[in-house]
This record gives sequence, structure tokens and C-alpha cells, in this order.
Amino acid sequence: DAMVIQNPRYQVTQFGKPVTLSCSQTLNHNVMYWYQQKSSQAPKLLFHYYDKDFNNEADTPDNFQSRRPNTSFCFLDIRSPGLGDAAMYLCATSATPYEQYFGPGTRLTVT
Amino acid sequence: AQKITQTQPGMFVQEKEAVTLDCTYDTSDPSYGLFWYKQPSSGEMIFLIYQGSYDQQNATEGRYSLNFQKARKSANLVISASQLGDSAMYFCAMRDLGDDYKLSFGAGTTVTVRA
Repeated sequence: DAMVIQNPRYQVTQFGKPVTLSCSQTLNHNVMYWYQQKSSQAPKLLFHYYDKDFNNEADTPDNFQSRRPNTSFCFLDIRSPGLGDAAMYLCATSATPYEQYFGPGTRLTVT
Repeated sequence: AQKITQTQPGMFVQEKEAVTLDCTYDTSDPSYGLFWYKQPSSGEMIFLIYQGSYDQQNATEGRYSLNFQKARKSANLVISASQLGDSAMYFCAMRDLGDDYKLSFGAGTTVTVRA
């Protein structure tokens, strides 16, 4: 049973065209994270929500925004995608210090 | 400053043999956690094993074990009896105290299992 679901798995967008990636979870975890992972690199945390509290990493570009309308869903909005934003975007959830579960990721291509 | 160091970019291992993946970390917090994840070419991050800083025993999960040496700040992953399906990227990650459970990842080690 999928616990962290990401849609779509593959997304192609045009340069400068806004795109939204979605994440949902069935775990009822209070913390949700968005990571960006470029090819052959480690995941890089963009931001996270602790319940409704939004926490942005200092070096996350303003081009990236997020919404969490309820416990189960979290969205990543890229307002004006550039070629450098092509990457795998991973959503993760956590409720305790001992676990962090990842979704399958959305692979974003920018043309 | 990078908190997690994985010095082996790539490793080859023969099927059915054991392999050790190195991970060292740096933190001043007394309470922290160490994670290992497997990432196959499909991209999904699969949780393998967790070790808490106060855990007295090394963590084990099936064929995975964590060689935790606290004084040396190392948390090496040992995969026993390697299988072809173990070929993947492996990431070591650390969670600091009071950070909303955020993880810092190492650069990863690619493991290729040969038949």
C-alpha cells in the first residue's frame, strides 16, 4: 500500500511555464518535506511543513513555493521553471525522529 | 558545512559477498539519528536502517547492519550476501536534534553487484 504518493511521476514543462507537483500521504504524519535531487547528487531540502508552519531553507530560490491545504496534501509550485530546475523532486513525511518516508518522486523535465 | 561524508563514489562487489559502505558525520548535538537509504535507478528513496545516538547496540535489518562507532563518528553500512538487486545508490543521512527531523545527506555511494 502506497503511503507517500507523488503525482505525476514524470512531468514535462516548458521554460517559464508554471508547474505544480503534488504529494499526498496516508500516514497522517505532521511533517512534510520537499527535496530537489539533481542527477548523481544528494537530495537537497527545499522546505518543509511542521503541521501548518512553513519553513523555507535559506538558499531555496523564490521561484519555488509550497502549499499544504491539509495534513494529507502538499504541493510544490515552480513559478517560472528554468532549465536548471530539471531534477527529481522528492516528497517525504515524518512524525518521529526515527523515520522519514519518501514518495517515488516526480522527474521534472524543462524544455 | 557538510555534516555527512561518504568518501566512496562507487564500488563493485561480487554477488553473495559482503560490502561495507563508509559514512562519517559531524555534529555537536548529543542526540541525533543516522539513516541509510537505497535509491535504485527508478529514483525512489527506500529506507534501510536507522541508528540513534543513544542506542547501545548496532542496528540490524535483515541483510543490512550498521557498524556504529560513536567515538569515531562513523556509521558504516554493511550489506551481507549481496544480490544483483542491491545495485543502487546508497545515501547516509543524519538528523539533528530539534530540527523538525530534517535530514542532511551525504553525497552517496553507487554500488554495482557483479554476477
